[in-house]
Amino acid sequence: GAVVSQHPSRVICKSGTSVKIECRSLDFQATTMFWYRQFPKQSLMLMATSNEGSKATYEQGVEKDKFLINHASLTLSTLTVTSAHPEDSSFYICSAGSTGGRAKNIQYFGAGTRLSVL
Amino acid sequence: GESVGLHLPTLSVQEGDNSIINCAYSNSASDYFIWYKQESGKGPQFIIDIRSNMDKRQGQRVTVLLNKTVKHLSLQIAATQPGDSAVYFCAEKDSGNTPLVFGKGTRLSVIA
Repeated sequence: GAVVSQHPSRVICKSGTSVKIECRSLDFQATTMFWYRQFPKQSLMLMATSNEGSKATYEQGVEKDKFLINHASLTLSTLTVTSAHPEDSSFYICSAGSTGGRAKNIQYFGAGTRLSVL
Repeated sequence: GESVGLHLPTLSVQEGDNSIINCAYSNSASDYFIWYKQESGKGPQFIIDIRSNMDKRQGQRVTVLLNKTVKHLSLQIAATQPGDSAVYFCAEKDSGNTPLVFGKGTRLSVIA
């Protein structure tokens, strides 16, 4: 399947700092990328959908000023958790989809980022 | 309503037996369904997909069955192996580049 690279895999930060997570599609062009959050023993919760070159669409209850999403190219989307607090600690996962090619209709996922805010 | 933090349903099977993981979906307009496998600390991994115009699709050791009448999806794993131990999620979507909607997940534990 297609490869999506997510970095970093784990980050520990102090409360009040900002953290940037990168998501790259390595072998296909991702017109759309999705950001999910997952709590322990729970399913994936969609946070936002980002389309290349346009503003992200956030799900209800997700603060767009807290979770900044940038999708500047067809292979890279970033999620920045601004002024992180302990309640933002979670597992964040990105996925990439495309309207054509191998990834059509399928979302391929990154390996996830474990964020721990002290 | 359902409380946060419920344990995932767990299916325990003996190594070598067949596993059947079930999923009920809610949107009758969903056009496309995917099964993902998620190992601890990793992102979901694509297993197999099926379109709504099909009722069965087979892959290597896996079969997905779709019953649109009762909005039910199942994943069958033949000759289950210890490496199959993971959480399995079904996901649905409509046509177009819309996000997947994930089910709650089932933890599969394979007993050696």
